[in-house]
Amino acid sequence: EIVLTQSPATLSLSPGERATLSCRASQSVSNYLAWYQQRPGQAPRLLIYDASNRATGIPARFSGSGSGTDFTLTISSLEPEDFAVYYCQQSSNRPFFGQGTRLEIK
Amino acid sequence: QVQLVESGGGVVQPGRSLRLSCAASGFTFSVYGMHWVRLAPGKGLEWLAVLGHDGGSEKYADSVKGRFSISRDNSKNTLYLEMNSLRVEDTAVYYCVRDFRVGRYFDFWGQGTLVTVSS
Repeated sequence: EIVLTQSPATLSLSPGERATLSCRASQSVSNYLAWYQQRPGQAPRLLIYDASNRATGIPARFSGSGSGTDFTLTISSLEPEDFAVYYCQQSSNRPFFGQGTRLEIK
Repeated sequence: QVQLVESGGGVVQPGRSLRLSCAASGFTFSVYGMHWVRLAPGKGLEWLAVLGHDGGSEKYADSVKGRFSISRDNSKNTLYLEMNSLRVEDTAVYYCVRDFRVGRYFDFWGQGTLVTVSS
């Protein structure tokens, strides 16, 4: 089983700032990695797939990068609605999620 | 638009059973694989099970293998999760999720149904 470790657990930033979230895999997942956003009381939403492809309807301020074991989700300029929990996910054999990063307002 | 609506959650005692349903609309249900994913209190997302578009390619997470069973009725556009021998640690919001990129990701999620296992 490939384990995903997200850091930091909590990130405190202000609207307009840049957010950088990290996801590290215990072994290579090539570029088969996705990012999801979950706002309080809502279902998760697919943001990024195959490490760097934005899903349909996702704003350009969201970008993903990385391959192998190290991946990054960047939000270039935070909007109020971006404060949420973010999960990375790989699917090498069985789908597996990281433990999440909570992005909170500073 | 794509809609996935879960139902069947509630409060159940440990050791008992429960069946969740997911009504799909807005897309051709019979050509998509479907999954169940849960979110337990204070924890992260956990994938539970997948079923191929035709009812094949059934897979489970180790935590539920032998206790949970995923099934579907394409004539009713409905996905099911039969949960047996429920444990306190199965308490969670259960999401029905559509497959994206042949089992790699999840592109549409229902709003979830809460299952509470408690005596």
